[in-house]
Amino acid sequence: GAVVSQHPSWVICKSGTSVKIECRSLDFQATTMFWYRQFPKQSLMLMATSNEGSKATYEQGVEKDKFLINHASLTLSTLTVTSAHPEDSSFYICSASSGPSSYNEQFFGPGTRLTVL
Amino acid sequence: AQSVTQPDIHITVSEGASLELRCNYSYGATPYLFWYVQSPGQGLQLLLKYFSGDTLVQGIKGFEAEFKRSQSSFNLRKPSVHWSDAAEYFCAVGAPNDYKLSFGAGTTVTVRA
Repeated sequence: GAVVSQHPSWVICKSGTSVKIECRSLDFQATTMFWYRQFPKQSLMLMATSNEGSKATYEQGVEKDKFLINHASLTLSTLTVTSAHPEDSSFYICSASSGPSSYNEQFFGPGTRLTVL
Repeated sequence: AQSVTQPDIHITVSEGASLELRCNYSYGATPYLFWYVQSPGQGLQLLLKYFSGDTLVQGIKGFEAEFKRSQSSFNLRKPSVHWSDAAEYFCAVGAPNDYKLSFGAGTTVTVRA
């Protein structure tokens, strides 16, 4: 299957600072990328969907001004957590797909563990 | 909207024994169904998927799953478990006319020697 990387794999930051997480599809062109949040022992919750070159679509309840998503190329999407607070501490996972339908397989990154002090 | 329930939070199985993980979904029509495995430090990997056709689906690593419309289920099975199968398993459902996947809460599988 295709390879998706995330960087960093873990990050610790102080409350009030911003953190950027990168998601890269290494061997295919991802027209659609997804960002998920996973709490311990819980399911993956979709935060937003981004298509290359257009604005991200955020799920209900997700603050778009807090979680900035940029999908500037077919191989890179970034998630910036702005003014992070301890409640933003979580495991963030991205996935990449060659199309916007659930028929198109999503390839998942290994995740980024964010801890906000 | 579709949803998924994985009734078992944690299953412990002996190496060489059979494994069955339960998944129940809620969706008005025929859904797209998926099973993923998540190992520490690695991204979710697709084990198998069902879109249509034969209700018994074969996947990678010796896994199979059966779609039962009457029971709204898509249970995952493996006849003989290996220690390397210890991981977190997620069932997911998608709709043919949508891009979203809804995931279950996951089942942790522990394999004992």
